[in-house]
Amino acid sequence: AQTVTQSQPEMSVQEAETVTLSCTYDTSESDYYLFWYKQPPSRQMILVIRQEAYKQQNATENRFSVNFQKAAKSFSLKISDSQLGDAAMYFCAYYSGTYKYIFGTGTRLKVLA
Amino acid sequence: DAGVIQSPRHEVTEMGQEVTLRCKPISGHNSLFWYRQTMMRGLELLIYFNNNVPIDDSGMPEDRFSAKMPNASFSTLKIQPSEPRDSAVYFCASSLMRSSYNEQFFGPGTRLTVL
Repeated sequence: AQTVTQSQPEMSVQEAETVTLSCTYDTSESDYYLFWYKQPPSRQMILVIRQEAYKQQNATENRFSVNFQKAAKSFSLKISDSQLGDAAMYFCAYYSGTYKYIFGTGTRLKVLA
Repeated sequence: DAGVIQSPRHEVTEMGQEVTLRCKPISGHNSLFWYRQTMMRGLELLIYFNNNVPIDDSGMPEDRFSAKMPNASFSTLKIQPSEPRDSAVYFCASSLMRSSYNEQFFGPGTRLTVL
């Protein structure tokens, strides 16, 4: 069975600095998708970034980028120029093409002014 | 589009009472998911509907939990009788199952507190 692990329950970053959130997963599939979702205090789950496993190029969305290491089954999220509005829970998720998303337990990011 | 709509946003009830959570998916989406989020277990899939039919209810914890989707624009999750350990945030999500990754769009969640 697929699993997603986020080993950092909480992280802090100074405003304008860069922070990296870690995620590892386990699967025997070769084709799948990986996601990072943001959950601010409003509770709304927001898709931040998506990575297709067949693509070697790391996905980037403005200040958000990923480091996808398929062989190592690692999928980290880098947030550059951190802003106060980035403070939230961040969830890593895996999807292999059926219907089921597998979510990690989340990392709470605090942004310090 | 208004996105996925859930009601109520907050629910406080006493042990033993019946609780009904409601969800309106995004118009045109053919799949609906109910999740439960707790600190201990994270985000768990409770049940998945496709074209209003329950496909996977293996995540429903007990017979006290039931879910229905009478039409494409409405779903309910009912807990009867409720217990304090049911306290959690319940999310509804919908998806159009035709793209390669089938992005799920989440509602704002219902925070349930059972006293």
